[in-house]
Amino acid sequence: DAGVIQSPRHEVTEMGQEVTLRCKPISGHNSLFWYRQTMMRGLELLIYFNNNVPIDDSGMPEDRFSAKMPNASFSTLKIQPSEPRDSAVYFCASSYRKGNEKLFFGSGTQLSVL
Amino acid sequence: RKEVEQDPGPFNVPEGATVAFNCTYSNSASQSFFWYRQDCRKEPKLLMSVYSSGNEDGRFTAQLNRASQYISLLIRDSKLSDSATYLCVPSGQGNLIFGKGTKLSVKP
Repeated sequence: DAGVIQSPRHEVTEMGQEVTLRCKPISGHNSLFWYRQTMMRGLELLIYFNNNVPIDDSGMPEDRFSAKMPNASFSTLKIQPSEPRDSAVYFCASSYRKGNEKLFFGSGTQLSVL
Repeated sequence: RKEVEQDPGPFNVPEGATVAFNCTYSNSASQSFFWYRQDCRKEPKLLMSVYSSGNEDGRFTAQLNRASQYISLLIRDSKLSDSATYLCVPSGQGNLIFGKGTKLSVKP
């Protein structure tokens, strides 16, 4: 298996632009997580899905952030409009069971908002 | 109290040393626990799982103290390649909240 695949690896954009991050989880995994990592705040859970349904989005910082999982093999995290403080590494991870199984992370998307 | 707390370090130790990190958690309902390792500019990767009182894997030992709500990670005979940030994560109601991590630097 190719593992969790995220795209793009790097994204540089200007403030106010829309940003879409993509994730393909490992086939057969039914839980998907979006995390954001910064030096100051560490690894923060933004939202997680189980069987394509959002279970907990309490970590989503603002209405500017939205996430979807239209099917078991694809998820997006969208920021509209983007702001400089959104600059971070965004990780997607998947697991076989809800919560009680190990996470497999993608390589992350380094987002820079200028 | 934060959900998960870790000493950020850095822990600077010589090769061959034994080093231990603690991680405290607030959710007493947590049943399983994980230690992840994250190298600089890389994604976290699972190091160890802890489902009962502890787990041992080679030079690495994880122990769980439910009464005091902490888990520890012990690394024996440290190698240069052990230099990384170690993240703990208790498993609760499905969400997985990571600690900020403890940075370890092993020196020659």
